[in-house]
Amino acid sequence: AQTVTQSQPEMSVQEAETVTLSCTYDTSESDYYLFWYKQPPSRQMILVIRQEAYKQQNATENRFSVNFQKAAKSFSLKISDSQLGDAAMYFCAKPPYQLIWGAGTKLIIKP
Amino acid sequence: GAGVSQSPSNKVTEKGKDVELRCDPISGHTALYWYRQSLGQGLEFLIYFQGNSAPDKSGLPSDRFSAERTGGSVSTLTIQRTQQEDSAVYLCASSRYGQGSNQPQHFGDGTRLSIL
Repeated sequence: AQTVTQSQPEMSVQEAETVTLSCTYDTSESDYYLFWYKQPPSRQMILVIRQEAYKQQNATENRFSVNFQKAAKSFSLKISDSQLGDAAMYFCAKPPYQLIWGAGTKLIIKP
Repeated sequence: GAGVSQSPSNKVTEKGKDVELRCDPISGHTALYWYRQSLGQGLEFLIYFQGNSAPDKSGLPSDRFSAERTGGSVSTLTIQRTQQEDSAVYLCASSRYGQGSNQPQHFGDGTRLSIL
């Protein structure tokens, strides 16, 4: 069975600093996608970034980037220049269609 | 265009009552998903629709839960004879394609269901 694991229930970071959220997964597939979603207190789940497994280059979206280690089955999210609006639950997720979800990491931003 | 719309935003009801939760997906999205999220937890998959059919309803927790989708668009999740353990946020998502694709899912704001 495929699994996604987030081992950090909670992380905190000082505003303007960098934080890395961890995610590991298990799959027998060779080609797949991985997603990071953000869920602020408003409840809406928002796609932050996605990575295609066959691409060597790590995905980047503005202040958000991933460190994708395919052999290690690791998919961490780096947030640079943290802002107060980044405070949220962050979930790592993997298709197939119903998405397999990690338990989430609560990110706290300290002003 | 409009995103995924869910209604009601909040629902409070008494134990034993039936409730209906509605989801209106993004226009043109063929796949629709229902998830349940208990307080402080990750998402629990409930059911997946491709068009009007539900190839995977394996996540429905009991026969009190049912869902339908009509016209390849709006979906309704019905919970009969609600129990306190049904209290959660129910999230709906849609994607352009479903099984076999890696399309990201777009989520609604959810319905917070509280059973008294």
